[in-house]
Amino acid sequence: DSGVTQTPKHLITATGQRVTLRCSPRSGDLSVYWYQQSLDQGLQFLIQYYNGEERAKGNILERFSAQQFPDLHSELNLSSLELGDSALYFCASSVVFNYGYTFGSGTRLTVV
Amino acid sequence: GESVGLHLPTLSVQEGDNSIINCAYSNSASDYFIWYKQESGKGPQFIIDIRSNMDKRQGQRVTVLLNKTVKHLSLQIAATQPGDSAVYFCAEINQAGTALIFGKGTTLSVSS
Repeated sequence: DSGVTQTPKHLITATGQRVTLRCSPRSGDLSVYWYQQSLDQGLQFLIQYYNGEERAKGNILERFSAQQFPDLHSELNLSSLELGDSALYFCASSVVFNYGYTFGSGTRLTVV
Repeated sequence: GESVGLHLPTLSVQEGDNSIINCAYSNSASDYFIWYKQESGKGPQFIIDIRSNMDKRQGQRVTVLLNKTVKHLSLQIAATQPGDSAVYFCAEINQAGTALIFGKGTTLSVSS
């Protein structure tokens, strides 16, 4: 157990729907990062939060959004889902900005 | 654009052999590099990291070598074991300094 908790582990939904993925960082970690992993694209950085504030955006689609709450857990919202959004979504956390990421076990999203 | 690549998508070795996994990076200003291991169905797991002021760093059965002149990173695994079978990723800080970016990974297969 890495200490980073992601729920749900698996999610199957239909095109056009909206889902929310949840991440609880390791105790004491203030930074949360979201990554998407697909077979042909590897691990792609989506977005980062630090202590409740957005710090950096990567290749995140406009249909996707995220937030970090006062208790430091984070949610990634994916809307108007398309088949191509099927992937593994990982959350990572760290104490210090951009150093020593710890990853969760991921949420496998399947869009049908 | 910036990218972190690995020279070989797959590497097959015999148990007990030494394994070398290579990675070329593009951001000459990056000062921090990490190797991650990802087993099937799990999130990436930190193996070892190195800062740009070092050429070599050793861990338990693993060594990371950094050649800044040619922007090359390698991971050496001594006495490879079946449990080392996984996908290995190198990662570096992106040019904006906002996130880790990952290569596409090398799949290491260890046969006994």
